[in-house]
Amino acid sequence: RKEVEQDPGPFNVPEGATVAFNCTYSNSASQSFFWYRQDCRKEPKLLMSVYSSGNEDGRFTAQLNRASQYISLLIRDSKLSDSATYLCVVNTGSTGGFKTIFGAGTRLFVKA
Amino acid sequence: DTGVSQDPRHKITKRGQNVTFRCDPISEHNRLYWYRQTLGQGPEFLTYFQNEAQLEKSRLLSDRFSAERPKGSFSTLEIQRTEQGDSAMYLCASSLEEGQSYEQYFGPGTRLTVT
Repeated sequence: RKEVEQDPGPFNVPEGATVAFNCTYSNSASQSFFWYRQDCRKEPKLLMSVYSSGNEDGRFTAQLNRASQYISLLIRDSKLSDSATYLCVVNTGSTGGFKTIFGAGTRLFVKA
Repeated sequence: DTGVSQDPRHKITKRGQNVTFRCDPISEHNRLYWYRQTLGQGPEFLTYFQNEAQLEKSRLLSDRFSAERPKGSFSTLEIQRTEQGDSAMYLCASSLEEGQSYEQYFGPGTRLTVT
């Protein structure tokens, strides 16, 4: 079993749609969580951190469920420019035994 | 531009040659990370530094790979006796140790092709 697993893609949605991505992680000791966006042949860019209380940034909402070891990202009112790969990221450990695990990513295509 | 920079952006080398990549992190960031990414996969963690100390190395990092951050600023990643399987994008990221957030910011990557 992979340490971080994401929904298989791709997701093809029309402009204006709401789309949700899910991610599960296996290590219950994981401490911090993020969503990154990656455009084709570019570096990952931080989209948002994920907190247990949930957080929202404009059209984007991220949620963390520690009991179920589950992270989600909701995009409302999709734009063409949202087309990208969305990566779920989990940090585990402290200074001496720290590692960052990326999911394989979910590809999103938003069409006019 | 005060973001993470990497050099070179592209490298083509023949199998068996040694290559070295450089990463300059965001200036106030004390943590620096190296990743490898192949097509269709997320970045795979290779190693990270806190200041000049290398604190974690992935099992992916074979004996042919070595990374340094001698003065706690820029870092280099060297691959000795390159193999075709080393062809990938090598990404560097940096973060500020603030609480336990560790938001990482990535450089543009070095794309390595081993022929």
